[in-house]
Amino acid sequence: QSVLTQPPSVSGAPGQRVTISCTGSSSNIGAGYDVHWYRQLPGTAPKLLLFGNNNRPSGVPDRFSGSKSGTSASLAITGLQAEDEADYYCQSYDSSLIGSVFGGGTKLTVL
Amino acid sequence: QLQLQESGPGLVKPSETLSLACTVSGGSITSSDYYWAWIRQPPGKGLEWIGTIYYSAVTYSNPSLKSRLTISVDTSKNQFSLGLTSVTAADTAVYYCVRDVVVPGYFDNWGQGTLVTVSS
Repeated sequence: QSVLTQPPSVSGAPGQRVTISCTGSSSNIGAGYDVHWYRQLPGTAPKLLLFGNNNRPSGVPDRFSGSKSGTSASLAITGLQAEDEADYYCQSYDSSLIGSVFGGGTKLTVL
Repeated sequence: QLQLQESGPGLVKPSETLSLACTVSGGSITSSDYYWAWIRQPPGKGLEWIGTIYYSAVTYSNPSLKSRLTISVDTSKNQFSLGLTSVTAADTAVYYCVRDVVVPGYFDNWGQGTLVTVSS
């Protein structure tokens, strides 16, 4: 049972917009801690996708954006492409656990 | 370009100690801007933060693993290491060493990961 809750799967057609939610609590996202997102292609290590809620590392296209409100955050992907098919994880800090916590991951399928 | 490489046995017997090292190249482990962490992923499951260390040896550990966990740093080798005692099948996972930007922060560079299987 992950501290942060994500939907197990989402899907969308090429060109569409999809969102992935990440729900936490008052000891992590709700406490004001930043949310970060990672993408993991099959058989590879996760890669940082967004940091500090909505900041893109160099090389990440602006099709990827993030937002945070209250105890939740979300990742939005516009102009969906076949290569976006991957597992996506959110991550934050939890003051009760005194450490980093992850969501359970969301598998994105491009139809 | 920063690279992290995990090394260690791929098979560990139950009740024994899992030991992994991470060699950092293309950057110094003593950089004041970064911490260094271990994250694991059981087969087919999600990510779990294990712990984080600063080059000064200050450590932060996942409370669920803390009693079995040792994380250390060797600045002369530009390495940091993981030790996990009394392992069980539940510790079977891909173990990643990563660079941790600020605490609390995020993980911006990942090693390729190494699968450690706990089995007799």
